[in-house]
Amino acid sequence: DAGVTQSPTHLIKTRGQQVTLRCSPKSGHDTVSWYQQALGQGPQFIFQYYEEEERQRGNFPDRFSGHQFPNYSSELNVNALLLGDSALYLCASSRTGSNQPQHFGDGTRLSIL
Amino acid sequence: AQSVTQPDIHITVSEGASLELRCNYSYGATPYLFWYVQSPGQGLQLLLKYFSGDTLVQGIKGFEAEFKRSQSSFNLRKPSVHWSDAAEYFCAVGATGRRALTFGSGTRLQVQP
Repeated sequence: DAGVTQSPTHLIKTRGQQVTLRCSPKSGHDTVSWYQQALGQGPQFIFQYYEEEERQRGNFPDRFSGHQFPNYSSELNVNALLLGDSALYLCASSRTGSNQPQHFGDGTRLSIL
Repeated sequence: AQSVTQPDIHITVSEGASLELRCNYSYGATPYLFWYVQSPGQGLQLLLKYFSGDTLVQGIKGFEAEFKRSQSSFNLRKPSVHWSDAAEYFCAVGATGRRALTFGSGTRLQVQP
């Protein structure tokens, strides 16, 4: 049973560019959340998708956007990249139900030059 | 707003010694509490969770945690640490298991032989 998978593993971009990160949830999971983890810090919640809609959003600018597809997979898009966007981006998935924990992928390491 | 404090940035213990990692949270209602572990270059693995009921919860790898509402704490414990336990540990709080999680800044555990 595959867990949460993310691609790519690593990515290098320059300031001003745009990037798309991808996530496939664990089998049986329908909710996908995205987190940003800067070096030496804990993850920070970006947003969550359920039924192909953004259900909850953290304190991130509109440059961060996302999408969820009918198969529950998800994309995170970041426009006009800044040096401060360099981080590990983590995807987490969960089942329906308030008592269902989130399971995390290994993340995408994004470096901005 | 919810918040999590992990007072210890770095802890070093000898292999075989006991371990306690501290976590204090701020939340207006009954919280959902979690401990995750992160090895270098990897995502987060769920160690254990507290939703309700028994305040002492057992997790994987021999870890346990105790929820103390009066102290707003959810400390992680292990009676005998193994070298493979060296990693970063994160405490998190949420409104439910599925909703946005707020993480602490983490505690890095080093295990001496």
